[in-house]
Amino acid sequence: DQQVKQNSPSLSVQEGRISILNCDYTNSMFDYFLWYKKYPAEGPTFLISISSIKDKNEDGRFTVFLNKSAKHLSLHIVPSQPGDSAVYFCAAQPSGTYKYIFGTGTRLKVLA
Amino acid sequence: DGGITQSPKYLFRKEGQNVTLSCEQNLNHDAMYWYRQDPGQGLRLIYYSQIVNDFQKGDIAEGYSVSREKKESFPLTVTSAQKNPTAFYLCASSIVAGLAGTIYSGANVLTFGAGSRLTVL
Repeated sequence: DQQVKQNSPSLSVQEGRISILNCDYTNSMFDYFLWYKKYPAEGPTFLISISSIKDKNEDGRFTVFLNKSAKHLSLHIVPSQPGDSAVYFCAAQPSGTYKYIFGTGTRLKVLA
Repeated sequence: DGGITQSPKYLFRKEGQNVTLSCEQNLNHDAMYWYRQDPGQGLRLIYYSQIVNDFQKGDIAEGYSVSREKKESFPLTVTSAQKNPTAFYLCASSIVAGLAGTIYSGANVLTFGAGSRLTVL
């Protein structure tokens, strides 16, 4: 049973435009959500996090929005750059644990 | 520079052989994790450890074993019982928010190593 879902396996966006990556979850008992970026044959790198008590967190070009009633979070990248082309994973931390459950990832391609 | 070192980067194994993947961190993190990545399946948790000499099974622990004898090290053994071991293996570490003696609060962000690709021939 996949508790964290990324239903779009891929996304293409023009350079300079906004990229919106989506993530849905089924368990209400998550404390934190994280977004990671991954290049092929490398480990994921942390991008941005959000607490379950917040609805928005912003860091430079990256903004994460959390809609608890819809059990949905999204990562906005503005403006998108070719170097943003990678696979993006969302991850959720169940309450009372220190582990994370990852989604299946979305491959973003930013076209120059 | 602080970080996580995984070795080897590439490993080939014959069926029926056990192999051990190394993971060392010098970030002074308490918790360590092993994830497996397969195409289209994201990252799945194999084992994790909060403190030395303690570890818990993740979602796909069958056919794997770990040890945590030192804070810095969390080796993963892929045994012959693992039915489909060919995959990309990722080790990670984090502080543990709320652990006795820490003042940090917030998300315990995972820091990942560069990964090890295991291929069974």
